[in-house]
Amino acid sequence: GQNIDQPTEMTATEGAIVQINCTYQTSGFNGLFWYQQHAGEAPTFLSYNVLDGLEEKGRFSSFLSRSKGYSYLLLKELQMKDSASYLCAVRDSNYQLIWGAGTKLIIKP
Amino acid sequence: DAEITQSPRHKITETGRQVTLACHQTWNHNNMFWYRQDLGHGLRLIHYSYGVHDTNKGEVSDGYSVSRSNTEDLPLTLESAASSQTSVYFCASSESVEGAREFFGPGTRLTVL
Repeated sequence: GQNIDQPTEMTATEGAIVQINCTYQTSGFNGLFWYQQHAGEAPTFLSYNVLDGLEEKGRFSSFLSRSKGYSYLLLKELQMKDSASYLCAVRDSNYQLIWGAGTKLIIKP
Repeated sequence: DAEITQSPRHKITETGRQVTLACHQTWNHNNMFWYRQDLGHGLRLIHYSYGVHDTNKGEVSDGYSVSRSNTEDLPLTLESAASSQTSVYFCASSESVEGAREFFGPGTRLTVL
């Protein structure tokens, strides 16, 4: 079966750095997405990786290793507004998105 | 600005009733998707469409149906609502290109009593 694993919950301090990991086992790979979802709201796109390496976008970076079935999302200079769930999703060989259950990130002052 | 809307935003219904959730997008995207989101689960795909008159079953399609008569709309119908279908439903759309992100509607919270 297909599986995406990410930690259920993480806590970090305002101004710090946090890394959210995602491991996947899917039938085929056609890219990995990270989305942010605030409570009661829709998911919004953060990043996309299809080749190995690091993609940087402002305070957010995402890394991919296809050989290890592994990705992480790095958030720097954490702000209170970053408190949200972060969803990892992989597009499989049928071009459908397979979603992880999400990591709830709690930011403390 | 282009957008994707869902209606109603909240719905309470009774077991056995037929319910239709609306999804409308003005992105002119060919691809449209319906997901449900439940605590402890990732988003799960119910049905999807790659264009007008095209519909496909997703991972959890039992008890649901969709139809695509134009580019903008993909209504989701629950034929006979069950308590197990209490959930938050998200509609999404994307371009038909590799790597395209999905844009999500605001969601519909459905309660089946």
